[in-house]
Amino acid sequence: GQNIDQPTEMTATEGAIVQINCTYQTSGFNGLFWYQQHAGEAPTFLSYNVLDGLEEKGRFSSFLSRSKGYSYLLLKELQMKDSASYLCAAGYSSASKIIFGSGTRLSIRP
Amino acid sequence: GAGVSQSPSNKVTEKGKDVELRCDPISGHTALYWYRQRLGQGLEFLIYFQGNSAPDKSGLPSDRFSAERTGESVSTLTIQRTQQEDSAVYLCASSLLDRTGGQYFGPGTRLTVT
Repeated sequence: GQNIDQPTEMTATEGAIVQINCTYQTSGFNGLFWYQQHAGEAPTFLSYNVLDGLEEKGRFSSFLSRSKGYSYLLLKELQMKDSASYLCAAGYSSASKIIFGSGTRLSIRP
Repeated sequence: GAGVSQSPSNKVTEKGKDVELRCDPISGHTALYWYRQRLGQGLEFLIYFQGNSAPDKSGLPSDRFSAERTGESVSTLTIQRTQQEDSAVYLCASSLLDRTGGQYFGPGTRLTVT
């Protein structure tokens, strides 16, 4: 299988920083995606990491370690609108598909 | 259009009936995916189309499910003899071959089987 593991729920405070972790199976792996999904809406693309390291995009950054099968999404200066589910998804070369984790439901409190 | 469109947006059907869901991907996107998302859960891969290659059907849950795609355009997902456990949101997504820009998702079709 190609299990994707991420925490089910997280809570953070407005203005703070939160890190959402994701682990995946490395065999055949070729890239890691992060998506944001607000309740009742479709997922929207946030980032795609292929190489090791940190990629920053405004308040959001994504990190990948291919050797460890590990990624995280870092959200800075949290806003109430960041309350959503964050989906980690891994692409594999042996299968023509992208495998999604179950998502991390992030709640932001004032 | 500018994005991925799906129809219908909502479908209520009686158990045992067949349903057909439609997806119009972004023009130029050769890859097309179907996913199922049950309430409060993650995305479950169903099927993948890439150009004129044979589709990857490994995620289809049973032989009641089938999908077709015409070239690099419209795709239809058909569920025969619907069951109550088929109730979910069915999401379609398209992407470029190299996926570097991620997948673009349609708004989904909410299927309710009564």
